Amino acid sequence: QLVLTQSPSASASLGASVKLTCTLSSGHRSYPIAWLQRQPEKGPRLLMKLDSDGSLTRGGGIPDRFSGSSSGTERYLTISSLQSEDEADYYCQTWDSDIHIFGGGTKLTVL
Amino acid sequence: QVQLRESGPGLVKPAQTLSLTCTVSGGSISSGNNYWSWIRQPAGQGLEWIGRIETSGNTNYNPSLQGRVTISLDTSKNQVSLKLSFVTAADTGVYYCARDRKAIFTLIRGMVGTNTYYYYMDVWGTGTTVTVS
Repeated sequence: QLVLTQSPSASASLGASVKLTCTLSSGHRSYPIAWLQRQPEKGPRLLMKLDSDGSLTRGGGIPDRFSGSSSGTERYLTISSLQSEDEADYYCQTWDSDIHIFGGGTKLTVL
Repeated sequence: QVQLRESGPGLVKPAQTLSLTCTVSGGSISSGNNYWSWIRQPAGQGLEWIGRIETSGNTNYNPSLQGRVTISLDTSKNQVSLKLSFVTAADTGVYYCARDRKAIFTLIRGMVGTNTYYYYMDVWGTGTTVTVS
């Protein structure tokens, strides 16, 4: 079965950029994913859906400092010009065998 | 735009049935080929998909919860309901509802590419906390 793997934590400084990674299990390099952000005390929101060729569609109201890219089984989320409100949990998600699958999430700390 | 709001008892006793409602505003749950999902997040853990229902009434459930979960629609109230039976402390967490959207991609197996549907969740509720104790 398809598995999504994320690093548990990441950190970067205010105003800097950070790149988070979601890795699809072997044999699933053509799968698209969605990136989700869950800020403290809020429900998740869709940042973007990201295809295997790197094409992306942002969710409503998501600024372009959130971008995505793909390489093989890796799907990346890059956040530039980090702001304090970007401190949140970030999840990747996809669909396979009639179920939604989530990565374990990355907790981003903005220093 | 479409907004979702979860509601229900915050405390459920072990072995009882957890019942939650997702109220949809800004659009009809019956419009288009929408799916409505339930997702939960136990304290300190990641997101876990529970299941979903299509506007036609077709359902998909997470195999790990199959047999305990029922998701239904009430189109007159524009609501999606979740029932989870025989709850234990492991069912404690924040419960979210979300709208599924369908997209298409080319699934590549070997040298063969096949157009395949996939789903992602584009609108989420703010969540409701349920404690089993």
